[in-house]
Amino acid sequence: DAKTTQPPSMDCAEGRAANLPCNHSTISGNEYVYWYRQIHSQGPQYIIHGLKNNETNEMASLIITEDRKSSTLILPHATLRDTAVYYCIVRVARPSPGNTGKLIFGQGTTLQVKP
Amino acid sequence: DVKVTQSSRYLVKRTGEKVFLECVQDMDHENMFWYRQDPGLGLRLIYFSYDVKMKEKGDIPEGYSVSREKKERFSLILESASTNQTSMYLCASSLAGGWDEQFFGPGTRLTVL
Repeated sequence: DAKTTQPPSMDCAEGRAANLPCNHSTISGNEYVYWYRQIHSQGPQYIIHGLKNNETNEMASLIITEDRKSSTLILPHATLRDTAVYYCIVRVARPSPGNTGKLIFGQGTTLQVKP
Repeated sequence: DVKVTQSSRYLVKRTGEKVFLECVQDMDHENMFWYRQDPGLGLRLIYFSYDVKMKEKGDIPEGYSVSREKKERFSLILESASTNQTSMYLCASSLAGGWDEQFFGPGTRLTVL
C-alpha cells in the first residue's frame, strides 16, 4: 500500500507556482520523501527527494514540515510541459533484505497547467 | 545522456503466447526493475534484480518470470500470456543500494487478445 495521500487533481496557471501537497503521517525516521512525475505516454521521471531539510534543484523545491508528516513540492514557474501526474513516495534510504529500492506509487496528483 | 530502452513501444499478442519484453540500460546500474501500470492501480512491482543472475519477486510476480544474464539487460517473460496481462510495462534501473533515483524506460504497451 502507498503510504502517502495526495489530492487527485490540481490546476495551475502557466507561469505561476504550482504547490503540490502530500500527506505521509506514518513516515518512519529512516524514510525519505521522493517525488516523481509521469508525463503522458512516458515513463516516470525523478524530480527530487529529501529527509527533513528543505531541498531545491533545477526542477523544483521540496518543503518538508518539521514533524515530517507532510510535504509540498513546488514548481516555481509552471509551464505547459509540466502537465503530468505527480507521485509522492516514501521509502527507506538504505536497502534491507527484501526491500531493495522499490518504489511504491500511489495514485498521484494530476497537475494541469493552463495557459 | 543516460538511457533505459525497451524493445517495443507497442506489442500485440494472443492468449497463450510466450512473450519476451527486453530492457537495456547504459548506465552500468546494478539494480533493475519491472513494473506494470494499470489505470486506478498505479505502478506495481513485478520483479527486480540487484545483480547479474539475481532476482527477487515484487508484489505481483504470478504469471511472470525474469532473466538477468548480463548487467545491462533485464528481460521480463510472460510464459503464457493472458488477457489480464494487458498493461503498460515499465522497466527501471538504479545504482546499487537502491537509494538513488530510478531511471525509467518509455514503457511497452502490451495488448493480449
